[in-house]
Amino acid sequence: SAVISQKPSRDICQRGTSLTIQCQVDSQVTMMFWYRQQPGQSLTLIATANQGSEATYESGFVIDKFPISRPNLTFSTLTVSNMSPEDSSIYLCSADSRDRGSTDTQYFGPGTRLTVL
Amino acid sequence: GNSVTQMEGPVTLSEEAFLTINCTYTATGYPSLFWYVQYPGEGLQLLLKATKADDKGSNKGFEATYRKETTSFHLEKGSVQVSDSAVYFCALNTGGFKTIFGAGTRLFVKA
Repeated sequence: SAVISQKPSRDICQRGTSLTIQCQVDSQVTMMFWYRQQPGQSLTLIATANQGSEATYESGFVIDKFPISRPNLTFSTLTVSNMSPEDSSIYLCSADSRDRGSTDTQYFGPGTRLTVL
Repeated sequence: GNSVTQMEGPVTLSEEAFLTINCTYTATGYPSLFWYVQYPGEGLQLLLKATKADDKGSNKGFEATYRKETTSFHLEKGSVQVSDSAVYFCALNTGGFKTIFGAGTRLFVKA
């Protein structure tokens, strides 16, 4: 299984500022994913990040608000821009197992708990 | 479209009780089915999976059987422990790039 780390693990931010979340995978992966999990809710996919191409955003999410970088096969960042209290959530990074030749299991980082005041 | 429906929580049980968390799905094709678990303050972890009809996934005493005729993948455990308290997510993947997650079911186990 893949080991995925995220930084920071939590942060408290002021309205109007931006936060960049880093995600590191211990092996090369083709697809990385960013999810939002609002308190007590399920996961909502924000975007899918491929190395060497622009991220693909889900309905309701836009690049200006959630810019994503994917500079190589083991790393990605998600920025939450111009934050408001409604952005308070857990943000989860994920990668799938496709590169290991197994079925399409997803592996998750521990999450970044963001509170916006 | 593809979707996953699981029973609403929270589910509260006493230690050593039998657990069932229901999950049904709607999908085109032949999806792989998963149960993920999220312990307090952590990300999701794969608990078990099944990739074709009649397969049984099992791990840590939990089991789920892929039932194509009823489009279900119910999670069961014969004797829960306090340490099983977590949120459980049923999920499917049809071989594309997206995994579809259910809403999650929170389990509380009392000593």
